[in-house]
Amino acid sequence: DIQMTQSPSSLSTFVGDRVTITCRASQSISTYLNWYQQKPGKAPKLLIYAASSLQSGVPSRFSGIGFGTDFTLTISSLQPEDFATYYCQQTYSTSRTFGQGTKLEIK
Amino acid sequence: EVQLVESGGGLVQPGGSLRLSCAASGFTFSSYWMSWVRQAPGKGLEWVASISEDGSEKYSVDSVKGRFTISRDNAKNSLYLQMNSLRAEDTAVFYCARDRPTFCSGGTCYVSDYWGQGTLVTVSS
Repeated sequence: DIQMTQSPSSLSTFVGDRVTITCRASQSISTYLNWYQQKPGKAPKLLIYAASSLQSGVPSRFSGIGFGTDFTLTISSLQPEDFATYYCQQTYSTSRTFGQGTKLEIK
Repeated sequence: EVQLVESGGGLVQPGGSLRLSCAASGFTFSSYWMSWVRQAPGKGLEWVASISEDGSEKYSVDSVKGRFTISRDNAKNSLYLQMNSLRAEDTAVFYCARDRPTFCSGGTCYVSDYWGQGTLVTVSS
């Protein structure tokens, strides 16, 4: 199975900060990479698909980039509603896998 | 409006069975792959299984192979997950999700763009 490793696992940061979350695949996955946001008690919400495409309705402060094994999700200026847990997921393999998650907390 | 509503969760003893359902509306169900994803209490997301539009292709995570079966009824706009031989480690919220096809460098890829609200499965004696 393809392993997805996110870093950091958690991050304490301020409103207004620029944040970057990294996701690394154990083998090349081209651009078969999606990013999700999840708030406590809620279903995940799609943010970015195919590594860099912004899902309709998602604010433009979210962006993604990457190819092969290394991917990043960037939030250009954190808003209060962005404090949540973020997951990457690969769909290159028929056995899809998620990263372990990155929790953003308010400093 | 796309809606996915899961049902069928509950408390079950180890070794028992449960069948989850996901009722879909607001889109042409028979045109989409569908998936189940679970989340154990306090843990991250785990993909469980996916099924093609006509049910001819099915994939699942190794930890549930031989115990869980994904299926669908396109006439009823419904997705199912039959879970047998349940274990304590299967305790989780189970989400169904619609898989939209899109283009990734190299071919078609799938993205879970709509999710249900989840149903809790608790395996305990």
